[in-house]
Amino acid sequence: QVQLVQSGAEVKQPGSSVKVSCKASGGSFSSYDISWVRQAPGQGLEWMGRIIPLLGTANFAQKFQGRVTITADKSTSTAYMELSSLRSEDTAVYYCARALDVVVPSPMGVWGKGTTVTVSS
Amino acid sequence: QTVVTQEPSFSVSPGGTVTLTCGLSSGSVSTGYYPTWYQQTPGQAPRTLIYNTNTRSSGVPDRFSGSILGNKAALTITGAQADDDSDYYCLLYLGGGIWVFGGGTKLTVL
Repeated sequence: QVQLVQSGAEVKQPGSSVKVSCKASGGSFSSYDISWVRQAPGQGLEWMGRIIPLLGTANFAQKFQGRVTITADKSTSTAYMELSSLRSEDTAVYYCARALDVVVPSPMGVWGKGTTVTVSS
Repeated sequence: QTVVTQEPSFSVSPGGTVTLTCGLSSGSVSTGYYPTWYQQTPGQAPRTLIYNTNTRSSGVPDRFSGSILGNKAALTITGAQADDDSDYYCLLYLGGGIWVFGGGTKLTVL
């Protein structure tokens, strides 16, 4: 069964960017949506956007349009999420998650363990 | 801006039944929103419980069920157990590749 391994915790300065990776192993990668979801301390889940690696097409929540970039490298089965112009409110755990099925739309079903991003001066 | 609404908190007695709901700030939730339910405990990634309104994910006990009740999606837990004490999130598909989570319900079993 597929596992998603995320990159390690990051501490960033306000105004900078962060890039988080998510490597899939043990299962198919290219045909399934990969979504990015974040959770600020003590808050709920927030869907940020998704990519279909096979097509390279991405969709984003309106809130993050223009500030988030989601890419995928099929050769290494790795997805990336880059968030720019960081502010303190971006401090959160960032999860990648693979869709349950190749048939769209399919919700997130397999989750990474999360990457903590702290934005602080 | 579409807002997905959930009860902020709920409590249930052990062995009891509870129904959590997932609505829209405007309009009704239907199967076309592909309602999905997740369970999350502190410090852990979410666990998929129900997808496509009423399909249980692999390994999920049958005391969890999903449905459409009136104009909302619903998650019913029948015979609640202590380890059901968690946060529950619904997820809806808005079309065009866009998903949105509800604010979550903190369920207390006591």
